[in-house]
Amino acid sequence: NAGVIQTPRHKVTGKGQEATLWCEPISGHSAVFWYRQTIVQGLEFLTYFRNQAPIDDSGMPKERFSAQMPNQSHSTLKIQSTQPQDSAVYLCASSLTGNTGQLYFGEGSKLTVL
Amino acid sequence: QQQVRQSPQSLTVWEGETAILNCSYENSAFDYFPWYQQFPGEGPALLISILSVSDKKEDGRFTIFFNKREKKLSLHIADSQPGDSATYFCAALNYAQGLTFGLGTRVSVFP
Repeated sequence: NAGVIQTPRHKVTGKGQEATLWCEPISGHSAVFWYRQTIVQGLEFLTYFRNQAPIDDSGMPKERFSAQMPNQSHSTLKIQSTQPQDSAVYLCASSLTGNTGQLYFGEGSKLTVL
Repeated sequence: QQQVRQSPQSLTVWEGETAILNCSYENSAFDYFPWYQQFPGEGPALLISILSVSDKKEDGRFTIFFNKREKKLSLHIADSQPGDSATYFCAALNYAQGLTFGLGTRVSVFP
């Protein structure tokens, strides 16, 4: 059974460039979550989809960040005009039925903005 | 304001000892408390969890003790092994708000 797959594992961008991160959830899971992890802030919730529909984006910065789930097999997180403070590990997770607290995380995409 | 607090930030134990990780929370509406284990370069993985109606949950060498009145819980790792060296996150779930994570406790087990 494949777990949650995230690509790329590492991405380096220059300030002002765009970064797109991809996530493939576990097959059959109906919910997909995006988190951002830093040493200082820990694991911060960004956004959540269920059955491809956006349910909660309360953690998403209002500018420059967007997330989509065009089909049940993948989700994307896009950061426009990246800034050094966006440097973090971005984690995607899926769960079987929704916001149950039982999340299966991918290995993360480490974004470094120079 | 951190809704879920963990202590200590880091913990070092010798192989065979019991590691005790502490967690406290603010929101009385939290009713499910999973602990996640994370190794460097990997995502967190669910380790063990407890519902607020229980006061103890065991799974092998890992035990959660839960005190609802004091809004505190702890994770005990008995007979600690070097392979247990990882960061452990306490989390709390309120269905309306989702999952809130603490900042983690980094555990190092020396042989």
